[in-house]
Amino acid sequence: KNEVEQSPQNLTAQEGEFITINCSYSVGISALHWLQQHPGGGIVSLFMLSSGKKKHGRLIATINIQEKHSSLHITASHPRDSAVYICAVRSSNYQLIWGAGTKLIIKP
Amino acid sequence: DTAVSQTPKYLVTQMGNDKSIKCEQNLGHDTMYWYKQDSKKFLKIMFSYNNKELIINETVPNRFSPKSPDKAHLNLHINSLELGDSAVYFCASSPQGKNTEAFFGQGTRLTVV
Repeated sequence: KNEVEQSPQNLTAQEGEFITINCSYSVGISALHWLQQHPGGGIVSLFMLSSGKKKHGRLIATINIQEKHSSLHITASHPRDSAVYICAVRSSNYQLIWGAGTKLIIKP
Repeated sequence: DTAVSQTPKYLVTQMGNDKSIKCEQNLGHDTMYWYKQDSKKFLKIMFSYNNKELIINETVPNRFSPKSPDKAHLNLHINSLELGDSAVYFCASSPQGKNTEAFFGQGTRLTVV
């Protein structure tokens, strides 16, 4: 079992739909990152969370430390949101433990 | 201004060659990383340096050697390249401390033929 599990692995939705990607982890962490990898391969950091909730534009990230769970939400999804979304947790020794990613496709 | 820059972006080379990938960050971060993205798009940490000191060295072949001439640079040298080394390699940096955000380079696609 991976230390960081993401679901779903693949998600296809229509433009405008509300999107939720989940991340569960089994290790102690100091922070959790949500990242976006575009089809061209570049990685962009979306959020870094250690508690609560953060919002940036149409993106919302939440984390529940007690339940060891985080969610990434996208409101009013758009085809340009199509990418791989990666959850990564940071351990106390600087290591980032990655989830396998969720491939999101938003159809027009 | 590019925060974390990797060069080259693409690298095609023959088996047995020695090659280097350079990484530079202008963010003043203390910690830098090298990751390898495998065919399933899963990112695996290879090395991590904090203030020029190696702090994480995952199980990678000895043919891979990181070099950190200063805090802003972490270069990856690969000797005797093999077909299985073909992958995308990402460099990243973050400030020292637990609750810090990581910033990534654009990746270097290495193809060994």
